[in-house]
Amino acid sequence: DVKVTQSSRYLVKRTGEKVFLECVQDMDHENMFWYRQDPGLGLRLIYFSYDVKMKEKGDIPEGYSVSREKKERFSLILESASTNQTSMYLCASSPGHGYGYTFGSGTRLTVV
Amino acid sequence: AQSVTQPDIHITVSEGASLELRCNYSYGATPYLFWYVQSPGQGLQLLLKYFSGDTLVQGIKGFEAEFKRSQSSFNLRKPSVHWSDAAEYFCAVETGANNLFFGTGTRLTVIP
Repeated sequence: DVKVTQSSRYLVKRTGEKVFLECVQDMDHENMFWYRQDPGLGLRLIYFSYDVKMKEKGDIPEGYSVSREKKERFSLILESASTNQTSMYLCASSPGHGYGYTFGSGTRLTVV
Repeated sequence: AQSVTQPDIHITVSEGASLELRCNYSYGATPYLFWYVQSPGQGLQLLLKYFSGDTLVQGIKGFEAEFKRSQSSFNLRKPSVHWSDAAEYFCAVETGANNLFFGTGTRLTVIP
């Protein structure tokens, strides 16, 4: 089975810190995605990538950046964490259109 | 623009009862449709998907969904709910660009 691994299940960071959320997939998928999930708002797309060194903004990119230096790894970066970025972050990968996504288990980030 | 509506925020059913979770979508072309399930603290797991052909699709864990183009609906059903089905359920539509748009989810509670 495809596995998407997010490096941390829980993180607590301070306001203003630079935060790295790591995601690795092991099935050579072309496409990778970062979502945040908040109660009542569902999943909102932050960034996605269709290829190495390629990135596209999703619906809510403000305050975030991403890096994809290798095909299997897609990192989400919070340049200066703020309390409104407290959320569940979900990474996903997909081989392409029509296949759906495989999700990681999520990282619950708390910014204090 | 594409959108997904799950009108029921929370549903409670008795164990052994039947279940139907509603999903309506808005998308200009023939949609690719998905249902995902999320157990507490976990990522999303794919239950089933519809691309074309038979409008009744079978998924894992005994779930099925029916695509009705005239109603722009893709409702999820299960004949007999088990306590382990308690979770949050997300409907999603995929555009041609391999981007999934999710509904806000329906939380299912199962009472003994």
